[in-house]
Amino acid sequence: DAGVTQSPTHLIKTRGQQVTLRCSPKSGHDTVSWYQQALGQGPQFIFQYYEEEERQRGNFPDRFSGHQFPNYSSELNVNALLLGDSALYLCASSGPDREDDEQYFGPGTRLTVT
Amino acid sequence: AQSVTQLGSHVSVSEGALVLLRCNYSSSVPPYLFWYVQYPNQGLQLLLKYTTGATLVKGINGFEAEFKKSETSFHLTKPSAHMSDAAEYFCAVTPSGGYQKVTFGTGTKLQVIP
Repeated sequence: DAGVTQSPTHLIKTRGQQVTLRCSPKSGHDTVSWYQQALGQGPQFIFQYYEEEERQRGNFPDRFSGHQFPNYSSELNVNALLLGDSALYLCASSGPDREDDEQYFGPGTRLTVT
Repeated sequence: AQSVTQLGSHVSVSEGALVLLRCNYSSSVPPYLFWYVQYPNQGLQLLLKYTTGATLVKGINGFEAEFKKSETSFHLTKPSAHMSDAAEYFCAVTPSGGYQKVTFGTGTKLQVIP
C-alpha cells in the first residue's frame, strides 16, 4: 500500500513565476491538506480539500490555490512567487474514519525561489 | 483556536540518558495531540498520538508521552537516548472530531552526544 506521494521532490523557480505541486493521498483517504514548512519552523496549514472543494484555509494569501480531483489527488498552485515562498511543502491525507484524526504526511516538495 | 508551545528549540542529551521534550498546548475544545519526528530532508513521521482514553501513550522507537489536562501538557520522553534519535521533533494539536487542521509547534531539535 503506497503512502502519500508528492511530486516533484525538488523544484527551483524564479521570482514572479508560477508553480504547481502534486499530491496523491494514501489509498482509501479522501481528504488532502497542504502545509508550508519554512526553514527552521514548524509546518503551517495552508488549506484542506474534501470532495473537490476547499473546506478550510489557513492564513495564506490568494496566490496560494489548490484543486482536488475525483480520484482525491490534489494540486497546490502558487502564483507570483516570492523569495519567502521558499520552503518544504508537505501534503497530508486523512481518511473517512471520523474517529481517526491522524494525518499521514508525504515526503514533501522542496521549493526554492531565486 | 489551538496553539502549541515547545520549550527549548534545541536539546542535547548524552547517549543512554533520558530524553524529555516539553510541549504545552492551548485548545478551546478537547484536543487530540500528536508527536511527529522529522529527519533531515524528510517528511514527518508520527511517533504517537493521544485521542481519548489512557493518558499515557506509547509510540514507536520506545517513546511515550503523557496527556496532563490540568497542566495542558503532553511531554515526550524516552528512557535511554540512541544516536538514531537525533532529529527534529514536533508537537501538534487538533480539535477532536475529525477533519481538522493540525497546528504544529516550532519544533525541538534533539542532539545525542556519544
